[in-house]
Amino acid sequence: AQTVTQSQPEMSVQEAETVTLSCTYDTSESDYYLFWYKQPPSRQMILVIRQEAYKQQNATENRFSVNFQKAAKSFSLKISDSQLGDAAMYFCAYRRSQETSGSRLTFGEGTQLTVNP
Amino acid sequence: ETGVTQTPRHLVMGMTNKKSLKCEQHLGHNAMYWYKQSAKKPLELMFVYNFKEQTENNSVPSRFSPECPNSSHLFLHLHTLQPEDSALYLCASSPTWGATNQPQHFGDGTRLSIL
Repeated sequence: AQTVTQSQPEMSVQEAETVTLSCTYDTSESDYYLFWYKQPPSRQMILVIRQEAYKQQNATENRFSVNFQKAAKSFSLKISDSQLGDAAMYFCAYRRSQETSGSRLTFGEGTQLTVNP
Repeated sequence: ETGVTQTPRHLVMGMTNKKSLKCEQHLGHNAMYWYKQSAKKPLELMFVYNFKEQTENNSVPSRFSPECPNSSHLFLHLHTLQPEDSALYLCASSPTWGATNQPQHFGDGTRLSIL
């Protein structure tokens, strides 16, 4: 079974600084998808960024980028120029790529990010 | 406009009550999901419906009863719940269960408190 581990329950960063959130996962699959979701106090889970395992290039989305290390099974999220609106709970998630396994997501425990003004 | 709307936003109920959670999606998706989010635990997938058919029941107790009358609506009927069922219940949707390259879209959740 796949597992996702976020070892940092809480992180904080100064506004305009850069922060990196860690995520590791365990799988025997070679092809899969990885996601970072953000859950602000409004509670809605919002997709931040997505990475396909077969792509070596790290995904980027504006101020958000990932460091995907497939051999190490590591998928960290870097937030540059942090803004107050980035404060939220961040979840790392894994999904297999085979259609027969469907869209089942396996989530980590989450990292609560605080942005200090 | 989130695309996935959940009601009610908050619900407090006694252990003997019967209530229902509602989820509606306006995205034209065919797969819908119920998740349970408890404090300091990963999200737990409860049920999956694909084209109105249940495709996953993740060993959920029978006091939780899902219903999917059409691809746009999903309900979670609650009966004789326990205090440990207090949690945030999130609904999500995606194009289809098999579209593994498509992300799931989430609602704002229903905060459930069992007295």
